Parts: sequence; structure tokens; C-alpha cells
Amino acid sequence: RKEVEQDPGPFNVPEGATVAFNCTYSNSASQSFFWYRQDCRKEPKLLMSVYSSGNEDGRFTAQLNRASQYISLLIRDSKLSDSATYLCVVNVGLYGGSQGNLIFGKGTKLSVKP
Amino acid sequence: GAGVSQSPRYKVAKRGQDVALRCDPISGHVSLFWYQQALGQGPEFLTYFQNEAQLDKSGLPSDRFFAERPEGSVSTLKIQRTQQEDSAVYLCASSPNGLAGRFQETQYFGPGTRLLVL
Repeated sequence: RKEVEQDPGPFNVPEGATVAFNCTYSNSASQSFFWYRQDCRKEPKLLMSVYSSGNEDGRFTAQLNRASQYISLLIRDSKLSDSATYLCVVNVGLYGGSQGNLIFGKGTKLSVKP
Repeated sequence: GAGVSQSPRYKVAKRGQDVALRCDPISGHVSLFWYQQALGQGPEFLTYFQNEAQLDKSGLPSDRFFAERPEGSVSTLKIQRTQQEDSAVYLCASSPNGLAGRFQETQYFGPGTRLLVL
């Protein structure tokens, strides 16, 4: 079982739609949680960190449920420029000898159409 | 400001060749990570440096992979006797600190080196 699992998609949505991505992680010792965005043939870039209390950044809302080991990302009023792959990422800190490297899901591909 | 840079951006190697991939982290960043991203997959951890010390190399797939950061800044990932399964994008990331709290920090990624082994 992969440490971080997410639906690969693709999600094809019209402009203005609301779309939600989900992700589960297997290591209960995971310390920090992120969503990264990766455009085609580009490097991953941090979209937002995810906190237990939930957090919002403009049209983007992230939620974390530690009990269920579940992370979500909601995009409202989607734009053409939101088309990208969204990577769910966890960090287990110093657990099991880790030195803080990021553990990535395979990514969910989003395509926003006019 | 200058971000993480990597060179070369693209590399084509014949099977069996040795390759060297370079990473220039953001100036002053203590932590440096190497990741491998195969097509259609998320990046996977290879190795970690805190300054010049390689503290974790658990992700290196074989002893053909070797990384160094001798002066605590620029890092080189070397792959000996390349195989077709080594074809991937190799990403370098850096973050400011080397403390335990670094797992809360943003890691800044370079553009990657796209390696194709024929």
C-alpha cells in the first residue's frame, strides 16, 4: 500500500465549477501536510499547507482529518489556469529515521475547460 | 531572487554511461534533498544533506547512485552505469534550516534534470 494515496483523475471540469480532491495517508506519525501543484514538465510548487483546523486561501480550502488520516482540497470557481496536477504530500518528521523528506502521492490531474 | 537551479536540464545517456547531475540550492539553505520522479508518478525521496553531511540515503535505489555536497552548498548526484529504469526527472529541493522543525518548512524545488537512458 502506498504511503499517500490519491485518485489520479483526470478531473475534467468546466470553468467556474467546484472540484474536490481527496487523499489518504497510511503513517499515523505524519507530522505535516501539504498540497503542491505541478504544471506539465515543471517542478512541484507549494500550493498550501494543511492544518487540523482547516485553512483557506482565496478559492482554495484544505482540510485535514487526523483520525481518518484524510486530507482534502476544494477549489471553488475554477479557472483555466488551475489546470495542473495536484500532489498530496506528507512529512513524517523524524519518525523511523526520516530526516524530513516529503512523501508524495501520485497526483491528481485537473483539466479546466472553457 | 535566485531559486534552486539544476543542470543540465536534459540529459540523454547511453546505457552503461555515467552521468552527473548538479544542484545549486538557494544561498544559505542548510537542507538539501534529492527526489526522483518517474513518468506519471509523484516524486520519491532519494537522499538528504544537512550542510555537507549526508544524513539519509535510504532512498537511493542502488549502489550505482551516489550523492555529495562537499562544501555544504552545491550538490552532485552521480549515477554510474546507467540503466533504462533510471530514466526519470531528478529534482533537487532546499529548505532554510537543519533543525527538527524543518519538516514544517517549505521545500523549494529546482526545475529538475530530465534524464533519458537509451
